[in-house]
Amino acid sequence: GENVEQHPSTLSVQEGDSAVIKCTYSDSASNYFPWYKQELGKRPQLIIDIRSNVGEKKDQRIAVTLNKTAKHFSLHITETQPEDSAVYFCAAYNTNAGKSTFGDGTTLTVKP
Amino acid sequence: DGGITQSPKYLFRKEGQNVTLSCEQNLNHDAMYWYRQDPGQGLRLIYYSQIVNDFQKGDIAEGYSVSREKKESFPLTVTSAQKNPTAFYLCASSADRRYGYTFGSGTRLTVV
Repeated sequence: GENVEQHPSTLSVQEGDSAVIKCTYSDSASNYFPWYKQELGKRPQLIIDIRSNVGEKKDQRIAVTLNKTAKHFSLHITETQPEDSAVYFCAAYNTNAGKSTFGDGTTLTVKP
Repeated sequence: DGGITQSPKYLFRKEGQNVTLSCEQNLNHDAMYWYRQDPGQGLRLIYYSQIVNDFQKGDIAEGYSVSREKKESFPLTVTSAQKNPTAFYLCASSADRRYGYTFGSGTRLTVV
């Protein structure tokens, strides 16, 4: 089955700096890669996603890149703010299986 | 107001008891999922359902059971066979394979 590895497990940055979280996946049949943000005690929420026919996608301060050949994708957050502090999860969705496999999460702390 | 509702928010189970977690959605989504979240870990898939009256085991199905008699509802039963049920349980739904998940607010289950 699919295996998703996410790094780093914790990340601390100063407000205004950039943050990068990386994920790798194993199953070449995975074709949809969402990212979720989970604030403390709350539900995960979809913040950005990318499909296998696209290399990069941006939405204001966040962007995601995908390298299908290397089977890795990354989340980039620029001009970080304290409210960006949360746990971020990557996932790989396999259309054939009809389910997502999640990474273990990255705890991002943005220090004011 | 469309959404996905989980109840109860907190649940306490005695040893040897079965308990049922409720998950209801009014988003008209076909697919529904149950994930377990333990501290410092990612989301692990318990069961999922693509259509009514059909469901598949996820990665950690042992000790759990589900039903999907209605499109809107996907209850999860934690049986006495689940030896370590204390965790945060998240239900999710998805419109189809092109979209990410909408999560419920979760149920925190504790064995007492």
